[in-house]
Amino acid sequence: AQSVTQLGSHVSVSEGALVLLRCNYSSSVPPYLFWYVQYPNQGLQLLLKYTSAATLVKGINGFEAEFKKSETSFHLTKPSAHMSDAAEYFCAVTEEGGKLIFGQGTELSVKP
Amino acid sequence: GAVVSQHPSRVICKSGTSVKIECRSLDFQATTMFWYRQFPKQSLMLMATSNEGSKATYEQGVEKDKFLINHASLTLSTLTVTSAHPEDSSFYICSARDQDRRIAFFGQGTRLTVV
Repeated sequence: AQSVTQLGSHVSVSEGALVLLRCNYSSSVPPYLFWYVQYPNQGLQLLLKYTSAATLVKGINGFEAEFKKSETSFHLTKPSAHMSDAAEYFCAVTEEGGKLIFGQGTELSVKP
Repeated sequence: GAVVSQHPSRVICKSGTSVKIECRSLDFQATTMFWYRQFPKQSLMLMATSNEGSKATYEQGVEKDKFLINHASLTLSTLTVTSAHPEDSSFYICSARDQDRRIAFFGQGTRLTVV
């Protein structure tokens, strides 16, 4: 069965600094991987997805993620953090039937 | 992008009553929809998979008689919390799977408070 591990339940960066949110997956088949963002009391918004095309995936709001099969990782990055990036971020992998398996989530704080 | 609409966004109900939550895919047909529950500061817990025209598939530990799911059309799934109790208070989120783009889009969530 697929699984996802997000390292660090809380990450704090300064405005303008690099954002790095870590995600490792376990999958017996080539995975479809996703990053979602959740603002307080809202649903999830898709940031980007990997579906076996290019390994470097660009998403919305300046985020990108790189699929590294050898490391079973799909870390999310953004070169320069903005205050509006403060939110909860979830990495997810698709299981058979289309179910999404979520990581535990990482709360990103951005300091002025 | 695709839009999934979930209503209501907030609901307060009395203990013992039932509450219905709707999830609609607005610009694509969704043969499969998913219902999640999220506790504060936690990840999403899949409750059930809703398939159009057939019975929902519930995850282990989820009471199917308490959480009734109906997926009567390709654009609408409903979750009814029956005989709600305070412990059912939570954030419920639906998602609809776009088969063509192989992406799940999420509704805005419903904050249920049972008093």
